[in-house]
Amino acid sequence: GQQVMQIPQYQHVQEGEDFTTYCNSSTTLSNIQWYKQRPGGHPVFLIQLVKSGEVKKQKRLTFQFGEAKKNSSLHITATQTTDVGTYFCRQAAGNKLTFGGGTRVLVKP
Amino acid sequence: DAGITQSPRYKITETGRQVTLMCHQTWSHSYMFWYRQDLGHGLRLIYYSAAADITDKGEVPDGYVVSRSKTENFPLTLESATRSQTSVYFCAIRTGTSGGATDTQYFGPGTRLTVL
Repeated sequence: GQQVMQIPQYQHVQEGEDFTTYCNSSTTLSNIQWYKQRPGGHPVFLIQLVKSGEVKKQKRLTFQFGEAKKNSSLHITATQTTDVGTYFCRQAAGNKLTFGGGTRVLVKP
Repeated sequence: DAGITQSPRYKITETGRQVTLMCHQTWSHSYMFWYRQDLGHGLRLIYYSAAADITDKGEVPDGYVVSRSKTENFPLTLESATRSQTSVYFCAIRTGTSGGATDTQYFGPGTRLTVL
């Protein structure tokens, strides 16, 4: 079935540095959603991208949808300890909703 | 979100026992889901329901049973628990009624299940 692959699986970041996590699909996606799960918590919806090449920002987080709508990225600038958690992308094909494996972000103070 | 509750929040059981995890929404969203989360596997869909009395299998349904007699409740039963079912279980709803791809999901707080 349709899958989305997330890389890297783990990301160790020094506080204040930037990093990017990627979500890749072998097929064209109708849209992509991003969720964040804090340690011990539950996934929380962050944002949705629908249009080819779309870029959205939430403070220090920048989300991008690829031109071919087969990949997406999340870029975080000036990482803070509050960014700790696992970030998931999610694709939808009709009733079939599939989450990527997630990128677990650890921040070194 | 406060609109989705799961019970119990923590459960320890033994191999072979039947366990039921409860999920309740205070809204009336049509779609409800059960996921399990294990290290290295992300979120994997067990079952979902498009409406009361309508359920369908997800990616990993074996060993689980669901029912949905009321819109607001979606219990998940492990008929004979196994150690491989030790996991964190999340219930979720989907906004919207048409099952559109742009619907977002809201998750409950999760149930941490340990099978000894």
